[in-house]
Amino acid sequence: DAMVIQNPRYQVTQFGKPVTLSCSQTLNHNVMYWYQQKSSQAPKLLFHYYDKDFNNEADTPDNFQSRRPNTSFCFLDIRSPGLGDAAMYLCATSRDYGHQETQYFGPGTRLLVL
Amino acid sequence: DQQVKQNSPSLSVQEGRISILNCDYTNSMFDYFLWYKKYPAEGPTFLISISSIKDKNEDGRFTVFLNKSAKHLSLHIVPSQPGDSAVYFCAASVGSNYKLTFGKGTLLTVNP
Repeated sequence: DAMVIQNPRYQVTQFGKPVTLSCSQTLNHNVMYWYQQKSSQAPKLLFHYYDKDFNNEADTPDNFQSRRPNTSFCFLDIRSPGLGDAAMYLCATSRDYGHQETQYFGPGTRLLVL
Repeated sequence: DQQVKQNSPSLSVQEGRISILNCDYTNSMFDYFLWYKKYPAEGPTFLISISSIKDKNEDGRFTVFLNKSAKHLSLHIVPSQPGDSAVYFCAASVGSNYKLTFGKGTLLTVNP
């Protein structure tokens, strides 16, 4: 029944070692989002895909990249993780843009950088 | 600069009483507001929303009030139940824009 699935739930990486987080959806939604949520902070949008079109937020560091090979899957790549990148990473989907389109969130992947 | 502020990190209420969660915003362009609820180890789930053309929206035990002049909204839960214990996020958007701007969340604990 899970609609937005994130793997792994916990990820430990080393400083500077590339890491990839995965998100999949069974909703067939057009839009997939990646949020970063640091401890006691608000979720912050990093980027999103509308279908195959990538949309980066202006303040997202270049260290963060994303891939969407098909409708169902979206990946977050962190090229050289720093200690400040330790956070919960939330994937979300919506059918389309607009007020009436609810965003559905996955459970998140908690990233620890050693 | 935080455009959506939830100034109370936590709130504790007794079962059966009213819970009031508050949210303030600074961006006058926001015209749609949402509340999301998050249980531990789960993602946020949509709870209720309100458009800026309204000042109240009700869904069962949950009511959201919007005061545009004060740039303030609140979520009322009546009566509160232990299962309502969760983190509540306030979020806002502009027009039909995809982007949700979230607050930091308020942890609600409903004591039996």
